[in-house]
Amino acid sequence: QTVVTQEPSFSVSPGGTVTLTCGLSSGSVSASYFPSWYQQAPGQAPRTLIYSTNTRSSGVPDRFSGSILGNKAALTITGAQADDESDYYCVLYMGSGICVFGGGTKLTVL
Amino acid sequence: QVQLVESGGGVVQPGRSLRLSCAASGFTFSSYGMHWVRQAPGKGLEWVAVVSYDGSKKYYADSVKGRFTISRDNSKNTLSLQMNSLRAEDTAVYHCARDSLMFRGVSPFVWGQGTLVTVSS
Repeated sequence: QTVVTQEPSFSVSPGGTVTLTCGLSSGSVSASYFPSWYQQAPGQAPRTLIYSTNTRSSGVPDRFSGSILGNKAALTITGAQADDESDYYCVLYMGSGICVFGGGTKLTVL
Repeated sequence: QVQLVESGGGVVQPGRSLRLSCAASGFTFSSYGMHWVRQAPGKGLEWVAVVSYDGSKKYYADSVKGRFTISRDNSKNTLSLQMNSLRAEDTAVYHCARDSLMFRGVSPFVWGQGTLVTVSS
């Protein structure tokens, strides 16, 4: 069973840049996994930030960007703001209809 | 605007059944795959199931396979999740979600607010 990996936690200074990653316990992530990224505030439904690797969802600021970095999908936040403090999840399409979420990254802005 | 509204959650005893519904509006429902995703209290997101745009293909996470059934009614713009043989570990908020791409089922994109299912005796 392939596991989707994310950093459990990350910290960034206000105005700084942070890159969160989404990998596989075995193998490399590519665009064919249709990586998507979500932001979730406590008690709220997830909000889609990025889909299909690097397509920004409507209304998402351009300081959020998606890419493939090495063998992982990546979400980069440039110019972090206080309200970026949240949980971030990625999901990968494994083929044969199956999607798998990563465990999530808790981002702290301080 | 695109809207998804779940209903049907509640408290149910272990081993019993529950049926969730999701009413969709604001987009061409019959053109998109639809997902169910759940989140146990204090835990991360877990993908549960997806149904293709026409209802012909259905896929499940191993944790629910054989117990849950996803279905859709394109004439009523409604998605359903029939949950049988419920277990305590099925306790979660269940979200329905539209896929990101037309005629595909590769990633949840538009999310409903969710409905809470609590499995407890």
